[in-house]
Amino acid sequence: EPEVTQTPSHQVTQMGQEVILRCVPISNHLYFYWYRQILGQKVEFLVSFYNNEISEKSEIFDDQFSVERPDGSNFTLKIRSTKLEDSAMYFCASKDWGLAGELFFGEGSRLTVL
Amino acid sequence: QQPVQSPQAVILREGEDAVINCSSSKALYSVHWYRQKHGEAPVFLMILLKGGEQKGHEKISASFNEKKQQSSLYLTASQLSYSGTYFCGTENTGTASKLTFGTGTRLQVTL
Repeated sequence: EPEVTQTPSHQVTQMGQEVILRCVPISNHLYFYWYRQILGQKVEFLVSFYNNEISEKSEIFDDQFSVERPDGSNFTLKIRSTKLEDSAMYFCASKDWGLAGELFFGEGSRLTVL
Repeated sequence: QQPVQSPQAVILREGEDAVINCSSSKALYSVHWYRQKHGEAPVFLMILLKGGEQKGHEKISASFNEKKQQSSLYLTASQLSYSGTYFCGTENTGTASKLTFGTGTRLQVTL
């Protein structure tokens, strides 16, 4: 069964360092998302991406965050200068059509900022 | 604004039933339900669409009241495997519509 894959599964970094989280969405999917979940809390929307551009972003997704789809298969989330409060599980998700499509999640990348 | 779920937590004995509610302040196109086990990714349960269509693949049912902008998830004859946190995700309109997740309901099923 096709799946969304994410790397790394866990990354520990120092405050102020840049981090790149990688995702390979399901191959025929057209819509891509990043969500984050701080331990024990709700799943929060960060950004959606369609047709090689950001279609929507939340207030969390400030200038420190960026997304890219560099080669038609990978979908990356970059955090330029990490803060302690960026520590969370980051989930990549994809779906094959817009409205009412099932969202397929990756297993997540746990980011710990020290 | 995120959808509000109730209750926040519930403990059941195996075989008992539960209802989880999800309420939004915005007009909805669809409601999605997910279950998340500790340390894992959310897993899709079902989608309910405006107009009444329902899609899902587990023995769990749900309803969607478009007028009230509410959805309810019905878990009947609960099993130990039902334990986890349940999230509703609501979708408004838009081409690449995002899913906004609710506050979550923690369900624990015991023997």
